[in-house]
Amino acid sequence: QTVVTQEPSFSVSPGGTITLTCGLSSGSVSTAYYPGWYQQTPGQPPRTLIYNTNSRSSGVPDRFSGSILGNKAALTITGAQADDESDYHCVLYMGGGVYVFGTGTKVTVL
Amino acid sequence: QVQLQESGPGLVKPSQTLSLTCTVSGVSISSGSYFWNWIRQPAGKGLEWIGRIYSSGRIDYNPSLKSRVTISIDTSKNQFSLNLRSVTATDAAVFYCAGEVAAFTGLFDSWGQGTLVTVSS
Repeated sequence: QTVVTQEPSFSVSPGGTITLTCGLSSGSVSTAYYPGWYQQTPGQPPRTLIYNTNSRSSGVPDRFSGSILGNKAALTITGAQADDESDYHCVLYMGGGVYVFGTGTKVTVL
Repeated sequence: QVQLQESGPGLVKPSQTLSLTCTVSGVSISSGSYFWNWIRQPAGKGLEWIGRIYSSGRIDYNPSLKSRVTISIDTSKNQFSLNLRSVTATDAAVFYCAGEVAAFTGLFDSWGQGTLVTVSS
């Protein structure tokens, strides 16, 4: 069973920069996994931020960016704002029509 | 603008079948523009992809749930559905339906608001 790992939590100061990562329990993440990133606040459905590694969804500010860093997918938030305080989920395409979501990261802005 | 809305019982007894429907508006479900997905989220936990269906009839399932899940589509009603058999307490979750843009792998750009399903006798 493939496990997609994320940091459980992260703190950032307003205006600061953080990089969240998305890895595999076995192996390296590459663009072939089409990594995506979703933002979720309590009681709301997820909102699309990034798809296909580094493509921003419509309306997403450019302070959100996606990349591959080493053997993981990464989401960087530059100039963090108070309303960035959310849960962030990554998702990987495993092939054969199958997706696996990561464990999720809770980001606190303080 | 594509909109999705989940519906179904909020309470299911253990060992029974959970059945949910997602009604799609703003696009024809048979247009071929989207894969139609089910995703769930247990309380306080992360998202779990359950499976998806395409208008051609292609269906893909999470291997860990495949033996208990059926996803189907009703083009006449612009709906797709989820059946999860033999539920236990660990199946309790908020269930989301989501549209995945067919032209872009992994772009789930439309989500329902989610429906909470509790498993209890």
